[in-house]
Amino acid sequence: DAKTTQPPSMDCAEGRAANLPCNHSTISGNEYVYWYRQIHSQGPQYIIHGLKNNETNEMASLIITEDRKSSTLILPHATLRDTAVYYCIVFGGYQKVTFGTGTKLQVIP
Amino acid sequence: DGGITQSPKYLFRKEGQNVTLSCEQNLNHDAMYWYRQDPGQGLRLIYYSQIVNDFQKGDIAEGYSVSREKKESFPLTVTSAQKNPTAFYLCASSIPGRRINTEAFFGQGTRLTVV
Repeated sequence: DAKTTQPPSMDCAEGRAANLPCNHSTISGNEYVYWYRQIHSQGPQYIIHGLKNNETNEMASLIITEDRKSSTLILPHATLRDTAVYYCIVFGGYQKVTFGTGTKLQVIP
Repeated sequence: DGGITQSPKYLFRKEGQNVTLSCEQNLNHDAMYWYRQDPGQGLRLIYYSQIVNDFQKGDIAEGYSVSREKKESFPLTVTSAQKNPTAFYLCASSIPGRRINTEAFFGQGTRLTVV
């Protein structure tokens, strides 16, 4: 079973920040939070990951709560090309990697 | 360049036939995975392998088989026992016990259609 819960869909106006939430209340100490996105009929693309500190790269920011039970992916200035399904997964150690159903983000012109 | 290669990109199969999907990686990763994705759905784990000559069933292994004779290769056979094989299949690899490789975790997928 997937270890994360995400809303099935979200809309965001082009140019605005997209904030995608993820709940992972059963996360354990050695598990990282990863975010991937999948554009239709392609392999998922890595976005960002973190353990407990907030992280930022050229694509996005990741905010992880202090108790690590939830996180938010932030796309600071969403564009139409950011329309995709976004997956939040937790992974660590010698585990199988399982995905939930993700959040379908629709960026609106 | 290092990466994961899936072939073919599109595959057609007649009902009742077995078909094998190829997945090759040159990342020196020990762990490899197969996922299935149906339209509008998330990724479901079929089989995974943490090391050569060893593999485990995922959540939907029925009707599928795998082998892991080489570190670089993890072929998936869709057998005639799989009742609804039409789907998008994704292969992935990682270093077990460590973080998911951030640069090339997934292949680009094989779309299988039963005709």
